[in-house]
Amino acid sequence: SQQGEEDPQALSIQEGENATMNCSYKTSINNLQWYRQNSGRGLVHLILIRSNEREKHSGRLRVTLDTSKKSSSLLITASRAADTASYFCATADTGRRALTFGSGTRLQVQP
Amino acid sequence: DAGVIQSPRHEVTEMGQEVTLRCKPISGHDYLFWYRQTMMRGLELLIYFNNNVPIDDSGMPEDRFSAKMPNASFSTLKIQPSEPRDSAVYFCASTPPGGSYTFGSGTRLTVV
Repeated sequence: SQQGEEDPQALSIQEGENATMNCSYKTSINNLQWYRQNSGRGLVHLILIRSNEREKHSGRLRVTLDTSKKSSSLLITASRAADTASYFCATADTGRRALTFGSGTRLQVQP
Repeated sequence: DAGVIQSPRHEVTEMGQEVTLRCKPISGHDYLFWYRQTMMRGLELLIYFNNNVPIDDSGMPEDRFSAKMPNASFSTLKIQPSEPRDSAVYFCASTPPGGSYTFGSGTRLTVV
């Protein structure tokens, strides 16, 4: 079963705009991770935020985590056509090593 | 580092046939995971290993599925007999302790 639910399911924006994707989860977690998947390829790790962190940055990526609401958001600033992909959040339950993935957000960045 | 290597990339087989998917994890990674991805069910964890030992196989859908990891550099996922509903993309991933996942490129399985 899927732990995370992502919102929106699909997002289409223009190059240069910001893209925000949200993820909700259900259980206590060690950390939350975001991955990107280009069509026909494997998933690529983007960023990890631990349960005791509230915000993290990596380049054009900004991730927030609200453990009280069991939610996270991924912000991609100044989007590029190359950012077109599906984005997944994934959580590792406390005491468990395996990740449970959300349903994903399909992002389309129009040049 | 060549990353996680999966073979074959594509497999088309007839219903009832045995299918074997292969994975070579990154050297030094002590966890290995098998996932299945479909449009309907998304990414599902099938089984994972730690130091070659199966830890959780509760995601394996049926007895038709089996997985082995005979050594730190090789794992197989076998489906026998295969059915059309097994059609999916199967991913292998590995990770070091406390690290993030590295995924292979996947095997696209079509059972006709």
